[in-house]
Amino acid sequence: QQQVKQSPQSLIVQKGGISIINCAYENTAFDYFPWYQQFPGKGPALLIAIRPDVSEKKEGRFTISFNKSAKQFSLHIMDSQPGDSATYFCAASWPSGTYKYIFGTGTRLKVLA
Amino acid sequence: DTGVSQNPRHKITKRGQNVTFRCDPISEHNRLYWYRQTLGQGPEFLTYFQNEAQLEKSRLLSDRFSAERPKGSFSTLEIQRTEQGDSAMYLCASSFSTGELFFGEGSRLTVL
Repeated sequence: QQQVKQSPQSLIVQKGGISIINCAYENTAFDYFPWYQQFPGKGPALLIAIRPDVSEKKEGRFTISFNKSAKQFSLHIMDSQPGDSATYFCAASWPSGTYKYIFGTGTRLKVLA
Repeated sequence: DTGVSQNPRHKITKRGQNVTFRCDPISEHNRLYWYRQTLGQGPEFLTYFQNEAQLEKSRLLSDRFSAERPKGSFSTLEIQRTEQGDSAMYLCASSFSTGELFFGEGSRLTVL
């Protein structure tokens, strides 16, 4: 119940294409859903985050779509670039206000030039 | 550089030895978190502090692990009697009480 399931494990996209990564959760008490980007040898960095009272949030080329009834959320990267090649983690936070994250297992994205 | 700083970046030790990692958070952040990340996995929560108070410890944090944050500034994570299963990247993050965690680059532990 405390898990966040992430798919796919790896993804290859052509430059300019759309990258889509999906996550699903069971615990309806989760109240904050961030996406983090991690390059090799670096710590994760926040990309974008959403709360469950919002169905979509867009920041530049990155969009989170959130489906509360299905307990699913996804990251869309528009116009994917080779510089986006990294590992992406979804996460969920609970209890409220702790920002204690449970991370998904990660998606290794490779964008071909 | 005003980001989260972690030292040492890489530690190689023999099984049974003690190791200590240090984290210097972003100065005005009141919360500090420790996570552990193994190869090909997402980070796993270990513990977190609000100012100097340790508010929660994961059951992953066995009795061999201890974390401190004296005076609510830097934090240390000590692992006693290391085991090969302790080999991982230990990540520190800090934040205001607002949700965005800023991670350091991590301290990689290799136990031989």
